[in-house]
Amino acid sequence: GENVEQHPSTLSVQEGDSAVIKCTYSDSASNYFPWYKQELGKRPQLIIDIRSNVGEKKDQRIAVTLNKTAKHFSLHITETQPEDSAVYFCAASMGGKLIFGQGTELSVKP
Amino acid sequence: ETGVTQSPTHLIKTRGQQVTLRCSSQSGHNTVSWYQQALGQGPQFIFQYYREEENGRGNFPPRFSGLQFPNYSSELNVNALELDDSALYLCASSLQGDGNQPQHFGDGTRLSIL
Repeated sequence: GENVEQHPSTLSVQEGDSAVIKCTYSDSASNYFPWYKQELGKRPQLIIDIRSNVGEKKDQRIAVTLNKTAKHFSLHITETQPEDSAVYFCAASMGGKLIFGQGTELSVKP
Repeated sequence: ETGVTQSPTHLIKTRGQQVTLRCSSQSGHNTVSWYQQALGQGPQFIFQYYREEENGRGNFPPRFSGLQFPNYSSELNVNALELDDSALYLCASSLQGDGNQPQHFGDGTRLSIL
């Protein structure tokens, strides 16, 4: 079936450390992979996305890598700051729709 | 550029009632997707509208229905409300209906069923 698995469900890091969130997807035809950040009580915000013809994409402190053969992709946040604390969702396009992972609650401790 | 707006922000209904939620897409976007987000879960795809036609549906019963208007705004209708329908309902707009374009979300409607 159409499925996206996301790990870990919670992640706690010290300010300045790196954080990595990993996702696997089931549909080998998926070719678009966005990441969203959702703060408590707010809308999911698109923070970065990657397409299947690219292996890595970087935007300042965040980067995403994609391994199509293994059907997994990851979000990397470097030099974490307290304002990075939020729930992060990965998603994959499947059959014209986005399927979301279950989310990772990231806590950055000052 | 106007972002995605949803109304109302909060709604309380009782079992068996019907509800209509509204979404205005970001200017220039012709596609609206609706999602249900239960507490502590990721958004679950309900359906998508592209140029006023349903363009894909998730695993939701027929009592979840929708519309898209010529200005690309959209409605989500839910009949015969059940307790499990309590959730945050999000809409997202995008440029195309192929699932491969960035989707931008509204603030959502928090629906509580008593």
